[in-house]
Parts: sequence; C-alpha cells; structure tokens
Amino acid sequence: DTGVSQNPRHKITKRGQNVTFRCDPISEHNRLYWYRQTLGQGPEFLTYFQNEAQLEKSRLLSDRFSAERPKGSFSTLEIQRTEQGDSAMYLCASSQTGSHSPLHFGNGTRLTVT
Amino acid sequence: QKEVEQNSGPLSVPEGAIASLNCTYSDRGSQSFFWYRQYSGKSPELIMFIYSNGDKEDGRFTAQLNKASQYVSLLIRDSQPSDSATYLCAVGKNTGNQFYFGTGTSLTVIP
Repeated sequence: DTGVSQNPRHKITKRGQNVTFRCDPISEHNRLYWYRQTLGQGPEFLTYFQNEAQLEKSRLLSDRFSAERPKGSFSTLEIQRTEQGDSAMYLCASSQTGSHSPLHFGNGTRLTVT
Repeated sequence: QKEVEQNSGPLSVPEGAIASLNCTYSDRGSQSFFWYRQYSGKSPELIMFIYSNGDKEDGRFTAQLNKASQYVSLLIRDSQPSDSATYLCAVGKNTGNQFYFGTGTSLTVIP
C-alpha cells in the first residue's frame, strides 16, 4: 500500500491556460474523491467516483472543471481557462466501499494561477 | 447554516495538558464522523473515526459523539508540541457519499 499519489505537487500557470492533475488511489479502493482547499478553509467537495462512474458533482463546480476516471483506477482533473480564483490546493482522496469508510488523502497539488 | 462548524481557534495549551476540540453538525441523519490532523502545507491525515454515541479511545486520542446534541469532540491527552496542527472535523451524510469538512481548529502546544 503506497497510499494515494498525486501529480504534480505544484503547478504554476498563467490565467487562461488549461491544467490537468492526476491522482492514483490506493489500489483496493474503488471510491475516489476530489476536493479543493484554500487557506484557512476546510476541504471543499468537488466530485466523486465509484469505479469509473462519476456519481456526484458539486453544484459549485463550474463547467470549466472536468474529471475522469476512465478505467476505474487513476483519475484526472482538468481545469480549462484557469482564473486566479482557481488558485488552491487540489486534494484527491480514496476510500473503500461502505458508508463508514474513511477518506485517505494524497499529498495534493498546489495550483497557482498568475 | 454550515454543514459542519468548528471554532477556528487558535487554541493554545501547555505541553502535557488536555486539548479539547469541538465540532457541531447540522444534518441529524449523519452517520459517520472523522477527525483529521493537517500540518501546515500538508494534506489531511486521518486520526480517529466514530460512528456510535459515546467515547472511542485510541492512544492519547479520545473521540466523543453525542448524536442527540449533534456534537462530536476530540480530546488529546498529554499534548505534545508535535500535536500542533489544524484539526479538521468531517461528517459523512446518510445520503450520497459526500463528506463535509469544518474549517478546522488550529492547535498550538506550548513547550
């Protein structure tokens, strides 16, 4: 068990550019979550996958954000036409099936939009 | 009303004292409750989870849940400087699979 892996660790981009982040969950976990966290705030839910199916998506998530989990293993989160307000830590977490299964977080990708 | 509320702190306790962190939640149907520790610039790390009313102990940590009052707390006994971090309360709802997080309580343990 190598834990949840996220790449890259840091990303600096100019406003208007597209960025893509990758998450590799714990291998036996079939649930995968994306969260966003800004300074002084708790993680904010973005979207959730069970296997390859995207089952929930925050209504706060603009259409510039898209996530995929094509084979039910790794996931990507893409942000198109980035804005300065997108600057945040993007956290990926995975869990086993079960209503009480806790989330296990990766190290996150810190995005800075200049 | 926020789903999960925590006092942001900062909370300061002397080394060796008991630190008490509190959290309230709005959805009475919530079923699972978690405490995460987050060091500055790092990702959240799971410390404790609790599902039933009462206390649950794990080493120096005790989680307490009172569903009637919609209240969950974390006690840290014999606090150490290495416990200095932000503590996040997370709640799992009974519908869907979202976990809602509070804004976190900043704890400083003074040597």
